[in-house]
Amino acid sequence: DAKTTQPPSMDCAEGRAANLPCNHSTISGNEYVYWYRQIHSQGPQYIIHGLKNNETNEMASLIITEDRKSSTLILPHATLRDTAVYYCIVRVANTDKLIFGTGTRLQVFP
Amino acid sequence: DTAVSQTPKYLVTQMGNDKSIKCEQNLGHDTMYWYKQDSKKFLKIMFSYNNKELIINETVPNRFSPKSPDKAHLNLHINSLELGDSAVYFCASSQTVGNSPLHFGNGTRLTVT
Repeated sequence: DAKTTQPPSMDCAEGRAANLPCNHSTISGNEYVYWYRQIHSQGPQYIIHGLKNNETNEMASLIITEDRKSSTLILPHATLRDTAVYYCIVRVANTDKLIFGTGTRLQVFP
Repeated sequence: DTAVSQTPKYLVTQMGNDKSIKCEQNLGHDTMYWYKQDSKKFLKIMFSYNNKELIINETVPNRFSPKSPDKAHLNLHINSLELGDSAVYFCASSQTVGNSPLHFGNGTRLTVT
């Protein structure tokens, strides 16, 4: 079973920041938080991951709370092409297994 | 260049047939996976292979047999196809070194009639 919970859907205006929340209250100390997205009819695309520090790359920023029980993915300037299902995943320690939940369907509108 | 490529993209076949899906990665990764996405859009891991050896087998029927001729390829062979096998199958790869992200292919949509 997935160890994360996410809202089923969110809307965001084009050009605004999209903030996608994720709860992972049972995360273990050596488990990473990963974010992927799936645009319709394509394979999941890696976005970012982190352990406890905030992370930023060319796609997004990841903010992890100090207790590590939740995180937020931030797309700083959402575009229409960011419309997708976003998955927050806790990676099982010492395995290669990614367990996907139901994700958040982000709709970016003009 | 396509990092993880699967063929075919679409596969329509009848119940009882045997079919294969091929996957190749050119990222130099040593671990490859098969995931299944059903009609409800749940993505579930089926298998993982590391350097041609089976690592994960998630209670998949033995009609499904992955084959890894080398670490750049992981093919999925399915015997005696059933209606419930209809789904999108995704191949992925990663480097074993801790917490390397998985890179996915664009999927093979299998329809069993």
